[in-house]
Amino acid sequence: RKEVEQDPGPFNVPEGATVAFNCTYSNSASQSFFWYRQDCRKEPKLLMSVYSSGNEDGRFTAQLNRASQYISLLIRDSKLSDSATYLCVVNQGGGSYIPTFGRGTSLIVHP
Amino acid sequence: DTEVTQTPKHLVMGMTNKKSLKCEQHMGHRAMYWYKQKAKKPPELMFVYSYEKLSINESVPSRFSPECPNSSLLNLHLHALQPEDSALYLCASSQTPGQSREQYFGPGTRLTVT
Repeated sequence: RKEVEQDPGPFNVPEGATVAFNCTYSNSASQSFFWYRQDCRKEPKLLMSVYSSGNEDGRFTAQLNRASQYISLLIRDSKLSDSATYLCVVNQGGGSYIPTFGRGTSLIVHP
Repeated sequence: DTEVTQTPKHLVMGMTNKKSLKCEQHMGHRAMYWYKQKAKKPPELMFVYSYEKLSINESVPSRFSPECPNSSLLNLHLHALQPEDSALYLCASSQTPGQSREQYFGPGTRLTVT
C-alpha cells in the first residue's frame, strides 16, 4: 500500500466551479501536512499548510481528518489559472523526518 | 524572500562526464534537500542535509554525490550517469529539519544524459 495516495484525475471543471481533492496517508504517526501546486515543467510551490483545526486562504480551504487519515483541499470559484497539479505532502513521524509526496491530482479549469 | 536558486537550468551530459548541480538559499534555512522528478511523477527524495550534515540518503546510487559546503549551498556531483537518470533535479530548503516545516523549492535543473 502506498504511503500517500491521491486520485491522479484529471478533474475537468468549468470556471467558477467548486472542486475538492482528497489525499489519504497510511502512517498514523504523521504530524504535518501540506498542499503544493505544480505547473507544467515548473517546481512545486507551497499552497498551504494543513492545520488540525482546518484553515482557509481566500478561495482555498484545507482540512485534516486524523481519524480517517486524510487531508482535503477545496477550491471555490475556480479560475483558469488554478489549472495545475496539486501535490499532497505528508511528513512522516516516528522520529525520522521524511517528506512523502502523493502522486498529485491534475486539475483542468476550462472556460 | 523565499527564493532558492539552482544552476544550471539545463544540462546535457554524456555518460562519461563529470558535472555538478548547484543550489543556493539565503533564507537562513538549516535543512536542504535534493529531489529527482521524472515526467508525470511526484518528486522523489534523494538526500537531506540537516545543519550541513547528511542525515538522509534514500539509497541513491553512488554516481550521485551530494555536498554541503556551508549552510547556504548544496551541490550534487554527477559521474558516470545513465540515460535513465535524465530528469528534473530539484533542490529545496526548510527552516529546520523538523516535522512541521514547509519546504521551498528551486526552479530545478533539467538534466539529459546521452
